[in-house]
Amino acid sequence: NAGVTQTPKFQVLKTGQSMTLQCAQDMNHNSMYWYRQDPGMGLRLIYYSASEGTTDKGEVPNGYNVSRLNKREFSLRLESAAPSQTSVYFCASSEALAGGSDTQYFGPGTRLTVL
Amino acid sequence: QKEVEQNSGPLSVPEGAIASLNCTYSDRGSQSFFWYRQYSGKSPELIMSIYSNGDKEDGRFTAQLNKASQYVSLLIRDSQPSDSATYLCAVHPGGGADGLTFGKGTHLIIQP
Repeated sequence: NAGVTQTPKFQVLKTGQSMTLQCAQDMNHNSMYWYRQDPGMGLRLIYYSASEGTTDKGEVPNGYNVSRLNKREFSLRLESAAPSQTSVYFCASSEALAGGSDTQYFGPGTRLTVL
Repeated sequence: QKEVEQNSGPLSVPEGAIASLNCTYSDRGSQSFFWYRQYSGKSPELIMSIYSNGDKEDGRFTAQLNKASQYVSLLIRDSQPSDSATYLCAVHPGGGADGLTFGKGTHLIIQP
């Protein structure tokens, strides 16, 4: 039982390049989330998916797209990376349907640098 | 705009003493409250969750919630050097799939 896994662990991009961050969970959770963490800013929600087939914007969605590929996988795409997207990205999951727990469990993170 | 406020610290506590971490939140409708511990370079790790007013104890950790005052706290008894980390307070509206609203975290240092 690996919990929440993320790939890659580290990535360096040049401005304008694109990339996709991958996230998978093996806890049979319904909901998945993408956060970014910047020094002095705390964690901020980018996008989330309440259930397979649905996605919603969070606090800071600009410059990102997401895909809920199936119940296990939720990817985050940067179409044209900018230096302001240099951050640590965390994926999380929770049961989060009616009657289920809203506790979120986090993956190990992806450290992204955009030059 | 939902806000969660924490003192950024650093909070320095002698080994064996009680560490007290505090958090206030702005959304009066919040229903679920969480404390995460984050070591440098690592991901947030759940320490405690609390949903009702009062105290909840788990080993050396006690979470306290006062919804009327919009205040959450975490007490760590018999503090150990391994407790040195950043502690994140997080708030959820409850009952659904919304994301968490996090405070910026309090950096705790346990002095041997």
